Amino acid sequence: QKEVEQDPGPLSVPEGAIVSLNCTYSNSAFQYFMWYRQYSRKGPELLMYTYSSGNKEDGRFTAQVDKSSKYISLFIRDSQPSDSATYLCAMSHPGGFKTIFGAGTRLFVKA
Amino acid sequence: NAGVMQNPRHLVRRRGQEARLRCSPMKGHSHVYWYRQLPEEGLKFMVYLQKENIIDESGMPKERFSAEFPKEGPSILRIQQVVRGDSAAYFCASSPSGMDTEAFFGQGTRLTVV
Repeated sequence: QKEVEQDPGPLSVPEGAIVSLNCTYSNSAFQYFMWYRQYSRKGPELLMYTYSSGNKEDGRFTAQVDKSSKYISLFIRDSQPSDSATYLCAMSHPGGFKTIFGAGTRLFVKA
Repeated sequence: NAGVMQNPRHLVRRRGQEARLRCSPMKGHSHVYWYRQLPEEGLKFMVYLQKENIIDESGMPKERFSAEFPKEGPSILRIQQVVRGDSAAYFCASSPSGMDTEAFFGQGTRLTVV
């Protein structure tokens, strides 16, 4: 079993839709939960991170962590064609430097 | 402030040759991480270095792979006697501390072994 599971998609939605991206994990020691966006042929870009459980909002993006279910989510409101990319969840232990990444979900937002 | 610079962006090597991948961290960053990304897979941690020290190399294959981050100059990921299975995108990230939540990634080096 992989430490982090993420549905690779692809996920295709119309412009303006609410997008829900999810990951599950098996290691209860993870405390930092991150979401990265990666455009084709580019390096990953950190969107936001959450420490432990709870929600965090940044503009059109909301990250949720449910440690009891070992489940994290990223919601994108009012999705735009420019949001089309691969979204990678990632997590690490306290003092973490050894980030564990999910396989990434490819998202296509159609104009 | 330039971002994390990786070169070359693309590298083609024949089986058995050596590959050298370079990473210049962001200004003020003394922590460097290397990751490998295979097609349709997430990034896999390889090694974490600070200046002149390897902190954690638990993700590095035991043979043919080595990494360094000298006092002066870029970090180098070296792959000796490359094989087809080494073909992948190699990403470097740097941070000012040891925290991965403060890490910035480079654009990657795409290694193709023919």
